[in-house]
Amino acid sequence: DGGITQSPKYLFRKEGQNVTLSCEQNLNHDAMYWYRQDPGQGLRLIYYSQIVNDFQKGDIAEGYSVSREKKESFPLTVTSAQKNPTAFYLCACGTDFNQPQHFGDGTRLSIL
Amino acid sequence: GQQLNQSPQSMFIQEGEDVSMNCTSSSIFNTWLWYKQDPGEGPVLLIALYKAGELTSNGRLTAQFGITRKDSFLNISASIPSDVGIYFCATPKSGTSYGKLTFGQGTILTVHP
Repeated sequence: DGGITQSPKYLFRKEGQNVTLSCEQNLNHDAMYWYRQDPGQGLRLIYYSQIVNDFQKGDIAEGYSVSREKKESFPLTVTSAQKNPTAFYLCACGTDFNQPQHFGDGTRLSIL
Repeated sequence: GQQLNQSPQSMFIQEGEDVSMNCTSSSIFNTWLWYKQDPGEGPVLLIALYKAGELTSNGRLTAQFGITRKDSFLNISASIPSDVGIYFCATPKSGTSYGKLTFGQGTILTVHP
């Protein structure tokens, strides 16, 4: 069954710790994206990757890092430098940069 | 910068009623997208609009690309409980590429049986 999978669904971490969110897709899509969603706000773009081994900063990249070593995987690390990391994080992918994005079901990160 | 304003922020309606929401901006766009997000899930693309004045339907949903290219409208007819969720408008940051999207803040829809 093809799709985009984010894990875990819920994640709790202590303040000051780095945490990595997983995003895997088996759709053979080139483009992948990470968004952050806060209550009452739209989605904001953190990082995006148009192709494997390449990625670009989005609108709110500070305090986050990504890698794109494999086509199917685009993990997001929330570092201790991110001042307010508690949020709902959404990963998306698209056939290429000019095609509609398909979203995963998100990871809700809470910092204790 | 590019900003999309959605209205209303939330709606509480009875099952069977029609729903109207809109999205406005001070900037001109070539593409308008409407997404729906069910609770605890990722957004799903409902309708894409590519031409000023265009009217497109998807079942009970109808969306229009404003003539000024600065706004878009989404209507839902005869609402049902599964219409509950957050509806987002979105536009590409440049040209017609879907790659970098700007999202509105969303309209939260609640439908009472």
